[in-house]
Amino acid sequence: QLQLQESGPGLVKPSETLSLTCIVAGDSIRSSTYSWGWIRQPPGKGLEWIGSISYSGNTYYNPSLKSRVHISVDTSKNQVSLNLTSVTAADTAVYYCGRPQKSGTYYNALDIWGQGTMVTVSS
Amino acid sequence: DIVMTQSPDSLAVSLGERATINCKSSQSVLYSSNNKNYLAWYQQKPGQPPKLLIYWASTRESGVPDRFSGSGSGTDFTLTISSLQAEDVAVYYCQQYYNSYTFGQGTKLEIK
Repeated sequence: QLQLQESGPGLVKPSETLSLTCIVAGDSIRSSTYSWGWIRQPPGKGLEWIGSISYSGNTYYNPSLKSRVHISVDTSKNQVSLNLTSVTAADTAVYYCGRPQKSGTYYNALDIWGQGTMVTVSS
Repeated sequence: DIVMTQSPDSLAVSLGERATINCKSSQSVLYSSNNKNYLAWYQQKPGQPPKLLIYWASTRESGVPDRFSGSGSGTDFTLTISSLQAEDVAVYYCQQYYNSYTFGQGTKLEIK
């Protein structure tokens, strides 16, 4: 059964780069035709899509974050990575990775989610 | 961007009663070529990731109790819980996946 596990530093300083990984267990990213997405949720607030990477390696980002976001896949480690540059307190959130239920599509209902990792931006 | 607006923001319903949550999109999420509405509903409990309940606006995810149902088309959608159970206390989100992803602001459902 597919499982996703996010990991990364829980505390990042303002203006620095937030780097997270999503380890994929139970499926090989190399042979997968699924896309992978990152979603975040500030404390007590709603969900915000950050971006996605398709099975072909194309990336799609939320326009509000596009200038600061980079998503990549490392097939050797079977993981998906998120980099968010120049962070501020507004980037404090729980960060989730997710996979849509339908392969071969860029966007679809997300049926697999990681447990999420909390990132606080503070000096 | 497609903006998703849910109503109400919070809702208190008695056990066993019906709960109804509405979601409106700023543009249609109905894809004419396959006649599918690219709309999903999620349930989120404290400290947990969202759980997919409904996709294609009205298709129940495997394992989701049949008291949960989704309806609507185009720009107006509804999530209905026919008989509220204590374990249904959560925040509910709608999401469009017609053009990237956007979520509604969430509706907090409580017991009256």
